[in-house]
Amino acid sequence: QQQVKQSPQSLIVQKGGISIINCAYENTAFDYFPWYQQFPGKGPALLIAIRPDVSEKKEGRFTISFNKSAKQFSLHIMDSQPGDSATYFCAASMGGAGSYQLTFGKGTKLSVIP
Amino acid sequence: DSGVTQTPKHLITATGQRVTLRCSPRSGDLSVYWYQQSLDQGLQFLIQYYNGEERAKGNILERFSAQQFPDLHSELNLSSLELGDSALYFCASSVGLNQPQHFGDGTRLSIL
Repeated sequence: QQQVKQSPQSLIVQKGGISIINCAYENTAFDYFPWYQQFPGKGPALLIAIRPDVSEKKEGRFTISFNKSAKQFSLHIMDSQPGDSATYFCAASMGGAGSYQLTFGKGTKLSVIP
Repeated sequence: DSGVTQTPKHLITATGQRVTLRCSPRSGDLSVYWYQQSLDQGLQFLIQYYNGEERAKGNILERFSAQQFPDLHSELNLSSLELGDSALYFCASSVGLNQPQHFGDGTRLSIL
């Protein structure tokens, strides 16, 4: 049972373009939604995160859009650069009596071509 | 650099063997998480410790165990290894329970 579905699996964008990666979740108890960036041979690095009380969060060229009613959230990378070429993972976690463990999507391999 | 240190970076061993993976969390972080990354299963949560105590278990096999020591470093023990255990094992740490998790660069385990 995949609780966080991510699409697309791979994405090719031209330099300067907008990269958009989408995720959908099933468990309405999730209350924290981070995005991670992973380069080959490295661990996932936290990029940006959002909680469901806001619909959008922007940090530099990276923006998360969050739609609570649709149970969807997305990552937008503006002015994409070749250095952004990496695998991106969305994730979700829930608090309360839980452990805040992350449930990850399957990942999107982004290639930004010059 | 996330500040989370994992050793060794690579480990090659044979089926049936036992290995120990080590994680040193970021300074001040009390919570340690272990994740497994494989091509077919993706990133999956294994187990979490908070200030020395086990907090939660995920898809962790009975052959696997972990602990967090008083100095807050953690070890993941994998025994009776099978070919399917070949994967990347990541450790992440956070200051508290509801705080961002920061990952180390992982240990690549190869079972021959």
